[in-house]
Amino acid sequence: SQQGEEDPQALSIQEGENATMNCSYKTSINNLQWYRQNSGRGLVHLILIRSNEREKHSGRLRVTLDTSKKSSSLLITASRAADTASYFCATDHGYALNFGKGTSLLVTP
Amino acid sequence: DAGVIQSPRHEVTEMGQEVTLRCKPISGHDYLFWYRQTMMRGLELLIYFNNNVPIDDSGMPEDRFSAKMPNASFSTLKIQPSEPRDSAVYFCASSLGGSLQETQYFGPGTRLLVL
Repeated sequence: SQQGEEDPQALSIQEGENATMNCSYKTSINNLQWYRQNSGRGLVHLILIRSNEREKHSGRLRVTLDTSKKSSSLLITASRAADTASYFCATDHGYALNFGKGTSLLVTP
Repeated sequence: DAGVIQSPRHEVTEMGQEVTLRCKPISGHDYLFWYRQTMMRGLELLIYFNNNVPIDDSGMPEDRFSAKMPNASFSTLKIQPSEPRDSAVYFCASSLGGSLQETQYFGPGTRLLVL
């Protein structure tokens, strides 16, 4: 089954800096989603980008999608300590989602 | 809405015991998903239901695992007998419609430890 893979596995930055995470996948998709998981919690949906879209914004989040390279990136601008979490991309698998192993982001004050 | 509710939040049991995890999806959602999360394998889809009917259980590890959804507001995931390698966090999620157009809403998870 198809599964997204996030890169890097871990990222440590200081408050105010930008954080970029990447996701690669193997086969064609209809859409791609990004989720966040705070420690000890369930996943929370952040943003969905359709296969015919190249870029999408939501607040401090910017997601890009390059279907020719089968990759997506998530940019968090002006990061805050509260952004510390794991971030997952999810690709479609029929009616369900396949998640990667995530990027663990640490934002230090 | 209270969101997806899972119980128990933590479960510690001994190898060989039966474990039952419970989930109450968001009211009105017609898709329900069970996931398992471990450090080694990440987040894996175990099974999902549409209108209480199991649609795809190909992710269920083996016959020791079973899932039911007797009605639209309740689902269980049972492990019998449990083994140490079943230790993981189990998440339930629900969505209104099952296509990737729809956001999945996750519960807080059940952290299972099998000794």
